[in-house]
Amino acid sequence: DGGITQSPKYLFRKEGQNVTLSCEQNLNHDAMYWYRQDPGQGLRLIYYSQIVNDFQKGDIAEGYSVSREKKESFPLTVTSAQKNPTAFYLCASSISFNEQFFGPGTRLTVL
Amino acid sequence: DQQVKQNSPSLSVQEGRISILNCDYTNSMFDYFLWYKKYPAEGPTFLISISSIKDKNEDGRFTVFLNKSAKHLSLHIVPSQPGDSAVYFCAASIGTSYGKLTFGQGTILTVHP
Repeated sequence: DGGITQSPKYLFRKEGQNVTLSCEQNLNHDAMYWYRQDPGQGLRLIYYSQIVNDFQKGDIAEGYSVSREKKESFPLTVTSAQKNPTAFYLCASSISFNEQFFGPGTRLTVL
Repeated sequence: DQQVKQNSPSLSVQEGRISILNCDYTNSMFDYFLWYKKYPAEGPTFLISISSIKDKNEDGRFTVFLNKSAKHLSLHIVPSQPGDSAVYFCAASIGTSYGKLTFGQGTILTVHP
C-alpha cells in the first residue's frame, strides 16, 4: 500500500522541550511538505523540500527545523523557540508541484 | 494578509440538493486552484483542480468554476450526499512556486439526510 504515514497520531510534551514529528512516504515522491493547522484557519506551510538534502522555509518556519536525508523521510522538529506549538501538523508529498497527498496528521499538545 | 479567503465558515444543505462552496483570492499571480476535502483528525484529500486557462472543470458530482475577472472560484456538488459532510479547503498556487500552496480557512459542509 502506497501512502504517507505520520507518527504518532497524538503527542504530548512539556513546555520547553523539543519534539520531533515523523513523516514517511513510499510513493516515490520527490517533494515533501509540512503544514500546521489551527482551529478556524487554513493550512499554513512550515517547510518544504523538493529533493533530498535540500529544503526551503515556508510562511511560518520560525521555531521549527527539518531534515531531508532520505527521499522517503522528512521529520519536523518543533523547538522550544516555537511560541505556540500546540496544533495539528500535517505532512504531504507530491510528484507534481501542485497536487499534494497528505498524511493523517499528528496532534501536538504542549502542556 | 489572507490571499485566499473562504468567507463562509459553514454551509448546511439537504441531501440531494446542490452544495456551492465559494472561494475568493487576491493575488492575480495565482494560476492553479485546487479543492481539498478533510474529515476530522485526518489529512485533506485532493478533490478537483482547475488551471487559469479554463473556467470550468468537472469530475463526476464535483464541478469547479473559475471567474478570473472576479478572482473567484466555486465548487459545486450535485447531488449532495451525507458522506460529503466535511471541511472543504480551496488552495491556490503560482505556476513556478513549487510546493507553495496557499490555503483558505475552510468551509464546514453539513449534508442532512
